[in-house]
Amino acid sequence: ETGVTQTPRHLVMGMTNKKSLKCEQHLGHNAMYWYKQSAKKPLELMFVYNFKEQTENNSVPSRFSPECPNSSHLFLHLHTLQPEDSALYLCASSQPSGSTDTQYFGPGTRLTVL
Amino acid sequence: QKEVEQNSGPLSVPEGAIASLNCTYSDRGSQSFFWYRQYSGKSPELIMFIYSNGDKEDGRFTAQLNKASQYVSLLIRDSQPSDSATYLCAVNANTGGFKTIFGAGTRLFVKA
Repeated sequence: ETGVTQTPRHLVMGMTNKKSLKCEQHLGHNAMYWYKQSAKKPLELMFVYNFKEQTENNSVPSRFSPECPNSSHLFLHLHTLQPEDSALYLCASSQPSGSTDTQYFGPGTRLTVL
Repeated sequence: QKEVEQNSGPLSVPEGAIASLNCTYSDRGSQSFFWYRQYSGKSPELIMFIYSNGDKEDGRFTAQLNKASQYVSLLIRDSQPSDSATYLCAVNANTGGFKTIFGAGTRLFVKA
């Protein structure tokens, strides 16, 4: 596989469920990201990992818990979510270099919280 | 709060025309600027980036940057119906962190 992959592509869960989103990048990048994209709102950066270490936590509620076991894999563990958490969750990776930090996005997980 | 502002549109242009997409940003320390295209139901993909004042051309696309005015734009020449998408402007301060700030995007519709 190439690029950035995400599973599952669609997820419907109740507010009491626990689920996990998975992301894998095959680009040899050092940095990985979770973004939330809601309708008509900017992409919201949630978490950043660089060389497996978390460098950003953008005031995300604790019901979202990231895990980065290595530079190629990133998880987002979900528990007791709210309906307003329904959105497209995008994983991205990058290899910051000089003046550029191009983000390469996965296809996203469309999450619906009932 | 560092922000990136875009007109949400939709911007409608006829096929073959020039589409002009605009973006302003609030952080004067921003150093690199990106345009991403996002088709409906798909994830964003990079069109081009720019970090020096002036114009940068790539095929039918031209990015323009004016740091003094905190303004970046994307011109699409000879617009095609396949260019119909949402265009996201993104800005990075490049100060050693990994925080790219995205605008909400401008919807472009190219009429055949």
